[in-house]
Amino acid sequence: AQSVTQLGSHVSVSEGALVLLRCNYSSSVPPYLFWYVQYPNQGLQLLLKYTTGATLVKGINGFEAEFKKSETSFHLTKPSAHMSDAAEYFCAVTITGGFKTIFGAGTRLFVKA
Amino acid sequence: ETGVTQSPTHLIKTRGQQVTLRCSSQSGHNTVSWYQQALGQGPQFIFQYYREEENGRGNFPPRFSGLQFPNYSSELNVNALELDDSALYLCASSLAPGTSGGGYGEQFFGPGTRLTVL
Repeated sequence: AQSVTQLGSHVSVSEGALVLLRCNYSSSVPPYLFWYVQYPNQGLQLLLKYTTGATLVKGINGFEAEFKKSETSFHLTKPSAHMSDAAEYFCAVTITGGFKTIFGAGTRLFVKA
Repeated sequence: ETGVTQSPTHLIKTRGQQVTLRCSSQSGHNTVSWYQQALGQGPQFIFQYYREEENGRGNFPPRFSGLQFPNYSSELNVNALELDDSALYLCASSLAPGTSGGGYGEQFFGPGTRLTVL
């Protein structure tokens, strides 16, 4: 069975600092991996996805993530945080060809001025 | 191209009542999934519809049911509401595997319906 673990329910960084949000997954078959962002009182917006091919994927708003099969990880990074990055971030996994997507519990990112 | 829309935005019901939530999929999408997001938690998969049939289901009781219509719009029905049903309900549309341009699980979410059960 698949599962997703996001380490740290809250992460606080200063504006301009590196953002690192951690995600580990469990899947018995090759997964598709996603990061979504949710702003208050809104739905989820796709930041980036890994399906096949290059393990370093780039997304919107300067975010990127690296798929590391040996570590079963898909951590999200951004070199320089901006105040507008403050939001809830969710890591998700779908098995290839599957219908069910499993979400992590989320990490709330705070950005200090 | 219109995005995913949901109605109503907010809803207040009392325990034991029934509720219907509606979703209009993004243009061209043939699959719709419903999620329940309790406060402070990640979305939990309820079920998915493809070609008007339930294509998979999460750990939710039968009082959670759904419909998908030929125009790919969808409804989520919840009977005998309980206090724990209070949550944000999210609809997401996508293209099914094998569909041209689809198949990677990428979903497009609506803004959600906030349900409060008193």
